Amino acid sequence: DSGVTQTPKHLITATGQRVTLRCSPRSGDLSVYWYQQSLDQGLQFLIQYYNGEERAKGNILERFSAQQFPDLHSELNLSSLELGDSALYFCASSVGGGAHTGELFFGEGSRLTVL
Amino acid sequence: AQKVTQAQTEISVVEKEDVTLDCVYETRDTTYYLFWYKQPPSGELVFLIRRNSFDEQNEISGRYSWNFQKSTSSFNFTITASQVVDSAVYFCALSEAGTGNQFYFGTGTSLTVIP
Repeated sequence: DSGVTQTPKHLITATGQRVTLRCSPRSGDLSVYWYQQSLDQGLQFLIQYYNGEERAKGNILERFSAQQFPDLHSELNLSSLELGDSALYFCASSVGGGAHTGELFFGEGSRLTVL
Repeated sequence: AQKVTQAQTEISVVEKEDVTLDCVYETRDTTYYLFWYKQPPSGELVFLIRRNSFDEQNEISGRYSWNFQKSTSSFNFTITASQVVDSAVYFCALSEAGTGNQFYFGTGTSLTVIP
């Protein structure tokens, strides 16, 4: 158990819909990262937050947004869903803002299926 | 350009054989960090090792060992006397002190250990 909690574990929805994925980092970790893993794309970095502020942005679509709340949990919002958004979405946390402070600990992922 | 290359997409070995998973990275930073993660069929990403660029000592942990060679920009992972439970996808990752926050993952190597 990594200590990172993601909900929901599975989600099935239709195209055009909007979903919210939630992540609670490990106790004491200030950084939250979101990754998308699809079969043909590998692990794609979406976005990172550190102590409530956006720190780095990767290949995140404009239809997607995220935030980190004062209690450090994070939410990833996916809207106008398309079939191609079906993937496993991982949240990871780390103590500080970069690798010099430690490794990433991953949650179990949220599997999104868009029909 | 890919910052982390795992050229081996899939490997199959018979139980008790040794297997080496290759990882080649690309960076201009002098300070960087390398990681290996394991993703078993259950899906979660499990941290295995973190290594900084100033520490080229090889590391052994039970049946696992890692060979870090800056001269060839490689951070290879060897499993000795493989077991069925080693079957998983293994990811190598890089994080640079310069960019600070992004973890660049390779595309993964799927290892199947045949009983």
